[in-house]
Amino acid sequence: DAEITQSPRHKITETGRQVTLACHQTWNHNNMFWYRQDLGHGLRLIHYSYGVQDTNKGEVSDGYSVSRSNTEDLPLTLESAASSQTSVYFCASSVGSYTQYFGPGTRLTVL
Amino acid sequence: AQTVTQSQPEMSVQEAETVTLSCTYDTSENNYYLFWYKQPPSRQMILVIRQEAYKQQNATENRFSVNFQKAAKSFSLKISDSQLGDTAMYFCAFMKHASGTYKYIFGTGTRLKVLA
Repeated sequence: DAEITQSPRHKITETGRQVTLACHQTWNHNNMFWYRQDLGHGLRLIHYSYGVQDTNKGEVSDGYSVSRSNTEDLPLTLESAASSQTSVYFCASSVGSYTQYFGPGTRLTVL
Repeated sequence: AQTVTQSQPEMSVQEAETVTLSCTYDTSENNYYLFWYKQPPSRQMILVIRQEAYKQQNATENRFSVNFQKAAKSFSLKISDSQLGDTAMYFCAFMKHASGTYKYIFGTGTRLKVLA
């Protein structure tokens, strides 16, 4: 069955370190998204991609970057982790129907 | 700017009863999509139901239905015959895609507990 996976599921890091969260989907969807989920804010869009070599900024993109070298993967990089980036991160993918399929999430703690 | 408001942080319902979760949104757009997503304790987000704004007919998926009032910018979710497995966070979401830009806005969620 097609699926979308995220790794790691839990990560603890220190302020200032570079962190990369992986997202891999086997739906063959062109569109992929990264969100963060915080109490009181719901989900907020960080970055999204329409296809290979395409990336776009979302609502809360500062301090994050993505790259899309193939259809299946959209890794999210925190260049210099900050405590404000402690959150649960969700990856999602979609095709033209606009329904998004979400990964299981990664809980990131920045100390 | 678009906003999505879910005014009920928590709700509870007895098993087999009906419950309605409210969602209002603010937009100047005419064509858009609205969604309800469910997030159970496992944390996996799952689509419950989707509504296209150009459709007047309310969407229905088995025990889940919506009351879409476009003029009032209201999009409530009705769960009939509630089951214990319906216990979850429910998020309302607005989506507009135009001119190469995605706007996907989520509400803050309603925590629903189904009581045995």
